Amino acid sequence: AQRVTQPEKLLSVFKGAPVELKCNYSYSGSPELFWYVQYSRQRLQLLLRHISRESIKGFTADLNKGETSFHLKKPFAQEEDSAMYYCALFSGGYNKLIFGAGTRLAVHP
Amino acid sequence: GAVVSQHPSWVICKSGTSVKIECRSLDFQATTMFWYRQFPKQSLMLMATSNEGSKATYEQGVEKDKFLINHASLTLSTLTVTSAHPEDSSFYICSAQDRGPYEQYFGPGTRLTVT
Repeated sequence: AQRVTQPEKLLSVFKGAPVELKCNYSYSGSPELFWYVQYSRQRLQLLLRHISRESIKGFTADLNKGETSFHLKKPFAQEEDSAMYYCALFSGGYNKLIFGAGTRLAVHP
Repeated sequence: GAVVSQHPSWVICKSGTSVKIECRSLDFQATTMFWYRQFPKQSLMLMATSNEGSKATYEQGVEKDKFLINHASLTLSTLTVTSAHPEDSSFYICSAQDRGPYEQYFGPGTRLTVT
């Protein structure tokens, strides 16, 4: 079965602390994985994709096929990082994105 | 960057009436658009995939006769909620696919309230 699991509904940290939002996936083929972010009252937007191996707003995510994980990390959280974060898997066979349940990141001053 | 708009952003309708929501790709052509539903503090649930010039593909459990999707052009897809009921109240989000097979851009969403 194709599935994305984000085990934490809420992650609460203080400004300057490291952040790791967990994402695990289940997929039989070669996965295409993404992180989307939704700031308060804004639309969902792409944060980063594993294939480009980029760093956006200080966030990085590494695909670990052995652990079937794609955790999102940032060494020093900022208050403006507070948002909902969704991990998503592209299902090529069905041409659709499969979203995890999302993790709310709250960064406190 | 690619921009997707939705109209209206918010609509209130009476139970039993129909409501149409538009999704437009403003600066690119989208052969495929997607319709999602999002309940408060929950993730996005894909309802259907809309392909230009052909019938939409609905996800399991989504009533195709209740949620009518029309993708008449490369820049416009519409979702019509027919005979709306209070349980249809939700946040409806569309996305449009550009370039590669998985590049999706999301609209701002439409909040539907059925009274």
